[in-house]
Amino acid sequence: GAVVSQHPSWVICKSGTSVKIECRSLDFQATTMFWYRQFPKQSLMLMATSNEGSKATYEQGVEKDKFLINHASLTLSTLTVTSAHPEDSSFYICSARDSGGLSNQPQHFGDGTRLSIL
Amino acid sequence: GQSLEQPSEVTAVEGAIVQINCTYQTSGFYGLSWYQQHDGGAPTFLSYNALDGLEETGRFSSFLSRSDSYGYLLLQELQMKDSASYFCAAVSGGYNKLIFGAGTRLAVHP
Repeated sequence: GAVVSQHPSWVICKSGTSVKIECRSLDFQATTMFWYRQFPKQSLMLMATSNEGSKATYEQGVEKDKFLINHASLTLSTLTVTSAHPEDSSFYICSARDSGGLSNQPQHFGDGTRLSIL
Repeated sequence: GQSLEQPSEVTAVEGAIVQINCTYQTSGFYGLSWYQQHDGGAPTFLSYNALDGLEETGRFSSFLSRSDSYGYLLLQELQMKDSASYFCAAVSGGYNKLIFGAGTRLAVHP
């Protein structure tokens, strides 16, 4: 159980393109999902907390107009990287926690999306 | 600010025991989680300590001392497949978000 599916796995596109990444909880409902970014050989940096039915909460230094987050249902959150540029190339990972479980339920991660902007 | 400190690299041989330490400074702290990540893969959950003491899950154990703002992950009977990065992460804030340490790269040799 507790599977998080992330799509696509790889994206290669031209500078200026907008890219949408989907994160789905397959066998549980997630009121809250999280989006991280990870550069090679570095740690995971929390970008934003995605809340179902409300606005996302962005971490300091993350441009909300650049990284649009939509959490329209209890099983789906999307991250759109708008007008992507080479410096946006990174590994983007989402996570989710079972809303129906205990407060100490762990976060489960998707397989990540490797984004390369040419 | 919020920060977690852990060693950058650890090397060990198969069958050995390794302890990866983590010290933290976070506000709204609920507990300490540990995740394993192989190169190119996603983090996988290993353990979570909300209370002081030791949690054991097979070959892996994790410890937390809230008074010392300190925890560790203990890996026993090391196998080659344990070569990976290990992250401690503080659970904090109203949404129980994770704040990750920089990660410890474990290399297991024959």
